Amino acid sequence: QVQLVESGGGVVQPGRSLRLSCAASGFTFSSYPMHWVRQAPGKGLEWVTLISFDGNNKYYADSVKGRFTISRDNSKNTLYLQMKNLGGDDTAVYYCVRERSGWKLDSWGQGALVSVSS
Amino acid sequence: AIQLTQSPSSLSASVGDRVTITCRASQGISSALAWYQQKPGKPPEVLIYDATSLEGGVSSRFSGSGYGTDFTLTISGLQPEDFATYYCQQFNSYPITFGQGTRLEIK
Repeated sequence: QVQLVESGGGVVQPGRSLRLSCAASGFTFSSYPMHWVRQAPGKGLEWVTLISFDGNNKYYADSVKGRFTISRDNSKNTLYLQMKNLGGDDTAVYYCVRERSGWKLDSWGQGALVSVSS
Repeated sequence: AIQLTQSPSSLSASVGDRVTITCRASQGISSALAWYQQKPGKPPEVLIYDATSLEGGVSSRFSGSGYGTDFTLTISGLQPEDFATYYCQQFNSYPITFGQGTRLEIK
C-alpha cells in the first residue's frame, strides 16, 4: 500500500535552516506530482509547495517563496523540502502528499513537526 | 491568489441529520475543487474530487456539488465517525489554496 514517511522535523532556532525528507513506497513515485502541506498548531491546512513528477516544474506559496525549496530524487523514491531563514510562522506539522489525477491529494504522510523557537 | 471561504466555520448537528457545508471561491475555478475530512491528530483524507466525484472507499453519505464559484459538501444521515473538520481546496490555479475549515460537532 502507499506509504509516505516524513523525517527531519524538530526544534530549530529562528533564522536557521532545516531539511525535511519523505520516503515513498508502495507506488511508482516517479509518476506522481508531490506536495508539501503544513498545519500550524490548532490551525487550518496551508498548501506550501508542489513539484511535478519529473522535477521540472515547481510552485510555491507566497509565504515561503525564496526561502523553501522542494526537490525530489526519483532514484531514491524520496521527496525533500529545504527550509531556510525559518520563523515562528513556520512552526507546523508538515505533510508529504501525493497528487493523483482528478485534482486530488489522495495520500498523506503522518506529518513531521517543525518547531521554530529560541 | 484565489480565496476559498467556507461557511459555516462551525456546526453542531445530531446523528442522523443532513448537513451542508459551502465553499465559495473568489473567482471561477471550474470544477477543480476537492473536499477533505480531518480528525484530531490525523492527516486529512480526500472525500470528493473534481467537485462532484466520490473518492473510492468513501461512504455514499458524502456528496459534492457545484461549479465555478459556489460549491457544497452534503453529508446525509450523519454518523458518529463523521464528526470532524472539513476543508475545501482549489486546484484551478497556483498557489493552491484551502478553505479555513468547518468544524462539525455533535449536538
